[in-house]
Amino acid sequence: DADVTQTPRNRITKTGKRIMLECSQTKGHDRMYWYRQDPGLGLRLIYYSFDVKDINKGEISDGYSVSRQAQAKFSLSLESAIPNQTALYFCATSVPAGGAADTQYFGPGTRLTVL
Amino acid sequence: AQSVTQLDSQVPVFEEAPVELRCNYSSSVSVYLFWYVQYPNQGLQLLLKYLSGSTLVKGINGFEAEFNKSQTSFHLRKPSVHISDTAEYFCAGKYAGNNRKLIWGLGTSLAVNP
Repeated sequence: DADVTQTPRNRITKTGKRIMLECSQTKGHDRMYWYRQDPGLGLRLIYYSFDVKDINKGEISDGYSVSRQAQAKFSLSLESAIPNQTALYFCATSVPAGGAADTQYFGPGTRLTVL
Repeated sequence: AQSVTQLDSQVPVFEEAPVELRCNYSSSVSVYLFWYVQYPNQGLQLLLKYLSGSTLVKGINGFEAEFNKSQTSFHLRKPSVHISDTAEYFCAGKYAGNNRKLIWGLGTSLAVNP
């Protein structure tokens, strides 16, 4: 079984709808992240959480919110989806390593289309 | 500002040829550097990372990278590529004093042709 899972894997929705993307991990990591990937723009950080009570905005948090329900679960919500939020979304986890350098482990991604 | 720059957005290469994917980092402060690979329709996975010590880092699938402080580079190399190496490759860095998140390059698409 995958260590980092994302649901759904694909979603098509309409403008104005509320959408939740879910991420679960069995790695026991404290740190979790949400990214979006767009062609030519690489990965951009939306939100990150270093533990259940530590949630931080990334570089493109407008239009998104998150909830860290437990160490293993980190959800991303689009309160009112718009077409330019069409993208591939990734969840990732990590655990602090020596020297503050930690490897990130990624889920398989959720492809979201907003019509 | 701290940044990571991948110098090529696309690199086409023939099977069994050598390849180099170029990555430069911006700052002279202490930095940790990573290469990740994304195969089609998959998430990213770590290829290799440089934290300290030997400047030549070996990773999975025959890839290696060399940390060059004078050139502020961390280029990824493989002496002989396979069709299965076709993927998107991302360079990323974590800088001293900003260790809460990675700074990502925009990616290099490697296309290995028969």
